[in-house]
This record gives sequence, structure tokens and C-alpha cells, in this order.
Amino acid sequence: EDQVTQSPEALRLQEGESSSLNCSYTVSGLRGLFWYRQDPGKGPEFLFTLYSAGEEKEKERLKATLTKKESFLHITAPKPEDSATYLCAVQAEGSQGNLIFGKGTKLSVKP
Amino acid sequence: DGGITQSPKYLFRKEGQNVTLSCEQNLNHDAMYWYRQDPGQGLRLIYYSQIVNDFQKGDIAEGYSVSREKKESFPLTVTSAQKNPTAFYLCASSIRRGRDVGNTEAFFGQGTRLTVV
Repeated sequence: EDQVTQSPEALRLQEGESSSLNCSYTVSGLRGLFWYRQDPGKGPEFLFTLYSAGEEKEKERLKATLTKKESFLHITAPKPEDSATYLCAVQAEGSQGNLIFGKGTKLSVKP
Repeated sequence: DGGITQSPKYLFRKEGQNVTLSCEQNLNHDAMYWYRQDPGQGLRLIYYSQIVNDFQKGDIAEGYSVSREKKESFPLTVTSAQKNPTAFYLCASSIRRGRDVGNTEAFFGQGTRLTVV
């Protein structure tokens, strides 16, 4: 069964304290792995797409990496405005574009 | 500005009542999706549509219905058969590239929060 597991469930950081969020996946053929940011009461905002192991994408303080079994979202020197829930999703072979989501990691960055 | 518009933002449903959630996109995307989000759970797929006049059930379709008469629109009806409809509903769309390749990233609307009163 295709599955996505995110850890930790919640993460509290001090401003400037770098860390990583993990997304482990089990799928029958990966077509893409997606990272989203979601603020309370809002829809998910697209961040990155990764298609193959070894691929990396960067945007401001965020960097996403991909291996054959997991993805990491590295946050360098976070700021309070980075506080949000980060969602990971995978698109499996033959899924017709549907996404399987993890439960998310809630990040809080304190000043 | 291109994007996905969901309405209303908040919706209240009485017991035994059907309600319809609107989703409109001007991104010219072929594929559209409805997800449900509950506290502590990941997004779960309700229905999806790859082209106009065609749609398929997702993992939790019972108690819901959809239509896809226009490329831009994918309304979701929550029927009285849905026993626990209180949730945050999200509509999304993406570019359809084909079964062998997969679709591009999905873009989401701002959601509709449905509450049973």
C-alpha cells in the first residue's frame, strides 16, 4: 500500500536554529514528491517538486532533497514567518495524478 | 490573476440537507481534485476529474457527488448520506500529462470550512 509518513509531528525552533523535516514514503513507482506549506485556515501553498533520487531544490531558507525512500526539507536560519504546517505528498505510478499526503509537520519558530 | 477560487469560505449545514461547494479555476488545467482535511489527518481524496464530463471516486467518495460540465468548474455536493461532513474541504487542479508520466504539481484553493449545525 502506498504510504507517506512525516516526522516529527511538531517542531519548535528558536529563530536562527536550523533543522530538517523528514518525509518517508512507500510507493509502487514514484512519479513525483511534492512539498507544500499550509497556514492555519488556508489552502496548501506549493513549494517544491522532486522527481528523482539525488535531486535538490532551493527557495530562500528552504532546501528539499530526495532519496529513494525519503525526502528532507532543510530549514536554514528560520524566521518566525516560517511557522506553518509543512505537508509532503507523493504521486505514484498509475495514480492519474492523485496525491497521497502525509499528516504534516507543524513548525513553530520563536523569536 | 490565475488561480483557484472556492466559495463560500464558511458553510453551515443542517441535518439531512444537501449542500454544494463551488470550485472554479482559470489556470486552464485539465485535472481537478477534491480533498477533505480533518485535524490530525492528512488530506484525503474524495473525487477527481482528468477531463471534462469524466470523474472518478477517490478514497472517501461515499456521501459525496460531483460534476464536471466545464473545464473551469468542479462543484462538490455533500449529501445527507455523508454522516460526518464537518471538515475543511480543499479543491485543487493540475496539468494533466498522461498516465505514464504523471501530472504536474497541484495548486489549491483557500478551502471551504463546512460545519453541521
